[in-house]
Amino acid sequence: AQKVTQAQTEISVVEKEDVTLDCVYETRDTTYYLFWYKQPPSGELVFLIRRNSFDEQNEISGRYSWNFQKSTSSFNFTITASQVVDSAVYFCALGDSGGSNYKLTFGKGTLLTVNP
Amino acid sequence: DTEVTQTPKHLVMGMTNKKSLKCEQHMGHRAMYWYKQKAKKPPELMFVYSYEKLSINESVPSRFSPECPNSSLLNLHLHALQPEDSALYLCASSQPSDRVSYGYTFGSGTRLTVV
Repeated sequence: AQKVTQAQTEISVVEKEDVTLDCVYETRDTTYYLFWYKQPPSGELVFLIRRNSFDEQNEISGRYSWNFQKSTSSFNFTITASQVVDSAVYFCALGDSGGSNYKLTFGKGTLLTVNP
Repeated sequence: DTEVTQTPKHLVMGMTNKKSLKCEQHMGHRAMYWYKQKAKKPPELMFVYSYEKLSINESVPSRFSPECPNSSLLNLHLHALQPEDSALYLCASSQPSDRVSYGYTFGSGTRLTVV
């Protein structure tokens, strides 16, 4: 069974601080996909990144970076120099490539509040 | 056009009403999805349509009835809902054959309140 754990329910930081959101996953599949989505108060889920299980290269996009480590089944997300606009709920999600390969399994989400 | 458009954005309905949620995309995606998200919870998959055919129903009560009239449209017909069905309903779509491997594009959702 697929499972995604985001142990941090809420995080509060002051603007310009760096913050890391943790994500640990469980799957028996050898091929799988990991995602991060941002959900601002308006409700839409904004796609941030997709990573497949064969690509452990870390990625940086502006102030965002992701650290994928298969050895620890983790896919952590770091925001550098946080801004108030980063305040949102962030979801980590796992998708498999097996028989039910339409389904994303989401973690419970981490509410990030960036205070000015 | 890289959007999934959902209407209405907000809906209040009584338990005896019949209403429909609509979702539209023009990205050529051939898989479309309905997710339900309760407050402070992650989204949960309800239905998947692949090439306009229902391929997954996650044991959703029959008071929710999905419909995919064509490759661009997805509806969710609602009838005799309960107050506990109040939630954000998210539509999503994905690439024709890559499905989850390319992730989804989500709409902004319909916030449904059942009174």
